[in-house]
Amino acid sequence: SQELEQSPQSLIVQEGKNLTINCTSSKTLYGLYWYKQKYGEGLIFLMMLQKGGEEKSHEKITAKLDEKKQQSSLHITASQPSHAGIYLCGAVLLYNNNDMRFGAGTRLTVKP
Amino acid sequence: EPEVTQTPSHQVTQMGQEVILRCVPISNHLYFYWYRQILGQKVEFLVSFYNNEISEKSEIFDDQFSVERPDGSNFTLKIRSTKLEDSAMYFCASSGGLKRAGELFFGEGSRLTVL
Repeated sequence: SQELEQSPQSLIVQEGKNLTINCTSSKTLYGLYWYKQKYGEGLIFLMMLQKGGEEKSHEKITAKLDEKKQQSSLHITASQPSHAGIYLCGAVLLYNNNDMRFGAGTRLTVKP
Repeated sequence: EPEVTQTPSHQVTQMGQEVILRCVPISNHLYFYWYRQILGQKVEFLVSFYNNEISEKSEIFDDQFSVERPDGSNFTLKIRSTKLEDSAMYFCASSGGLKRAGELFFGEGSRLTVL
């Protein structure tokens, strides 16, 4: 079974619309990270969440961590074509460990 | 801005051949990683490397794989005898330390095609 489940797998939205991507862990989280990948390229770090209830924002992207539920959500407000790509949640699942595991990703398409 | 660089960007090889993928991590980083992504699939952890030794490896990282940091700047992934299923994009990443564990900086990837 997947350690990190992301939903939805893909998302198509009209430019200007809000959207939410979810990530659920089957194991205790020791840090939850969001990355963005454009097709065929490397991953770009977006945000890191380490404490329960933590919420961070970067431009129009907000991420929250619900530690008890072992879940995180990524919310994009007023989406733009530049937001298109694959969003991956990553997590450190072992205490005092550096190893990042990723979810399968959510492919976002923003229609102009 | 410092970045992780990978070479080659694309390599085509025959099955059974040895392949070395090279990475230059960010210079003051301490932790180094290899991940792979088979086309259309998720990014999978292969191995992490710290203090000149492997710290963790996944079940994918079998005896055909090895990593090395030969000269203090390069970090290499060697596949001894490539198989068709090794065809994937291989990403190198580095991070500064345990407190910033998840803030990995990724290279652009090396695409390996095994024929």
